[in-house]
Amino acid sequence: SAVISQKPSRDICQRGTSLTIQCQVDSQVTMMFWYRQQPGQSLTLIATANQGSEATYESGFVIDKFPISRPNLTFSTLTVSNMSPEDSSIYLCSVETGGRGTGELFFGEGSRLTVL
Amino acid sequence: GEDVEQSLFLSVREGDSSVINCTYTDSSSTYLYWYKQEPGAGLQLLTYIFSNMDMKQDQRLTVLLNKKDKHLSLRIADTQTGDSAIYFCAGGGGATNKLIFGTGTLLAVQP
Repeated sequence: SAVISQKPSRDICQRGTSLTIQCQVDSQVTMMFWYRQQPGQSLTLIATANQGSEATYESGFVIDKFPISRPNLTFSTLTVSNMSPEDSSIYLCSVETGGRGTGELFFGEGSRLTVL
Repeated sequence: GEDVEQSLFLSVREGDSSVINCTYTDSSSTYLYWYKQEPGAGLQLLTYIFSNMDMKQDQRLTVLLNKKDKHLSLRIADTQTGDSAIYFCAGGGGATNKLIFGTGTLLAVQP
């Protein structure tokens, strides 16, 4: 397994501001993923972040709104830009451990954002 | 694209078995997963099954996969109140490791 730490665990934000969420893993991983869970909903993949390359965004998500950094193999950040109440969600990072394609996908505890 | 469906709610009595069901449309998933989410918490990986397997057992958990019907189930034996949570199935993994999640099933365990 992996220990995945996210910061902040929760925050209350004002409309129009931006917030950066950090994800730290206790081991080196190739791929990191960012998911969004809107209130009462399931999880939706925002983007895949590989070290040394641009993040790959899913349909409906764009870099200007959700810029991602992946400076090394244990860390990534997701910024939620120009927030509106619709961005109120839990944002979770996920990693694969045990080597690529082994199926062991773990999640952090999530960052719960409330936008007023 | 992939569509993953689950029943919304299941209520069982403590000590009984729980069976949570999931159906999916895309048969190309390499792995199928079960995650548990307790209130206010992140997702805990419970178990996962490789797509060419029919069954996997891990202590109180049994996963059954029917590829023909594209049906996945999670059986929890001797269900405890601590098992009360939302359970998500997800398909994906493999080269991209992208997961498509089901809608989640709220399991309520009555004492």
